[in-house]
Amino acid sequence: NAGVTQTPKFQVLKTGQSMTLQCAQDMNHEYMSWYRQDPGMGLRLIHYSVGAGITDQGEVPNGYNVSRSTTEDFPLRLLSAAPSQTSVYFCASSYGGVNTEAFFGQGTRLTVV
Amino acid sequence: SQQGEEDPQALSIQEGENATMNCSYKTSINNLQWYRQNSGRGLVHLILIRSNEREKHSGRLRVTLDTSKKSSSLLITASRAADTASYFCATAYSNDYKLSFGAGTTVTVRA
Repeated sequence: NAGVTQTPKFQVLKTGQSMTLQCAQDMNHEYMSWYRQDPGMGLRLIHYSVGAGITDQGEVPNGYNVSRSTTEDFPLRLLSAAPSQTSVYFCASSYGGVNTEAFFGQGTRLTVV
Repeated sequence: SQQGEEDPQALSIQEGENATMNCSYKTSINNLQWYRQNSGRGLVHLILIRSNEREKHSGRLRVTLDTSKKSSSLLITASRAADTASYFCATAYSNDYKLSFGAGTTVTVRA
């Protein structure tokens, strides 16, 4: 069972570059979400999706786009990277939204220089 | 922000001792969840406790919920070196699709 798979694990970007962080799950979960984790701040929700074709903003959505064309995939796009987006990004999925346990990927460590 | 707040921020204990950490939140919740994160890894779900539950157990873990005080506690009994990790509480609110995490408690278990 692969669970939640994130790629890449590490990435360095220059300011202004764009990129897509990939997230895939093989558990047929409807609910998927993206968080960023910064030192001393816990996890902050960027975007989430309750099913294919449905996405919504979380706590810190600015500078990020998402789409959900399939149940399995939930990519996160950085439109024009800024140093403030240096962080560790986690993707998660769950069967019953926030009312059941979430399964997390291993994270993508992004550095914007 | 509606996120929970963990206390203490850091905890250092001897192997075999118990570790207790607390989480407080501000508004009524639907459920509260605890997660563990080992250094450099993703979060792993430990226990989910619903608003109508007062206590849950899982192995050496015990979680309590006091909705009147808007607080929860996680107790790890007979700690082991492998329990060294950061522990996060996450709150879910009714009619909301967002899970809100606190800043976490870092637990170090000394051999």
